Amino acid sequence: GAGVSQSPSNKVTEKGKDVELRCDPISGHTALYWYRQSLGQGLEFLIYFQGNSAPDKSGLPSDRFSAERTGGSVSTLTIQRTQQEDSAVYLCASSLDGLAGGPGREQYFGPGTRLTVT
Amino acid sequence: SQKIEQNSEALNIQEGKTATLTCNYTNYSPAYLQWYRQDPGRGPVFLLLIRENEKEKRKERLKVTFDTTLKQSLFHITASQPADSATYLCASGGYGNKLVFGAGTILRVKS
Repeated sequence: GAGVSQSPSNKVTEKGKDVELRCDPISGHTALYWYRQSLGQGLEFLIYFQGNSAPDKSGLPSDRFSAERTGGSVSTLTIQRTQQEDSAVYLCASSLDGLAGGPGREQYFGPGTRLTVT
Repeated sequence: SQKIEQNSEALNIQEGKTATLTCNYTNYSPAYLQWYRQDPGRGPVFLLLIRENEKEKRKERLKVTFDTTLKQSLFHITASQPADSATYLCASGGYGNKLVFGAGTILRVKS
């Protein structure tokens, strides 16, 4: 079946502009994650959605970052007033579930959106 | 908070040899560790998961160990091939399936 898709694949924006990044998870996956990966760095957790529960926003670096997940499926990550330090690859992943104390599901990643803030 | 440390230096090995990659965690023993492979310009791909109460897990040419005394996981690729060249990421998991990733180790297999 189809994997996780993300759009756009590349985004160049001017400092101060807002951007929206989209993620389509695998159908039936209740858990969805956003990560950020800077050059040569590991993945930095941003936010996590599990079913209808309130999202875990503990990784969002500032209040310029927000995300929503509509209908338990598609998710949008919004960065307002972009800064140069926001330049990175933004990765979305989904898994069957992300239940506390669960078996630890593997995460399926999309190809990422490369964001460049000039 | 949990930190995952992986060797930042690339590992260069000859085709046919066994590659061994190291992952150390600094804080609490995670409920499980996951290993992913990442190729340039692509998202990570899941390889193996090993739980805290498991010593070793195997899948084809891959083997992962989990040593809670050393706070370490080792990832082995036997009979390595040039196609195994990639970045390998270790991640610790626990509550809510949130993963904490290491920066990854680049593996280069030369023919």
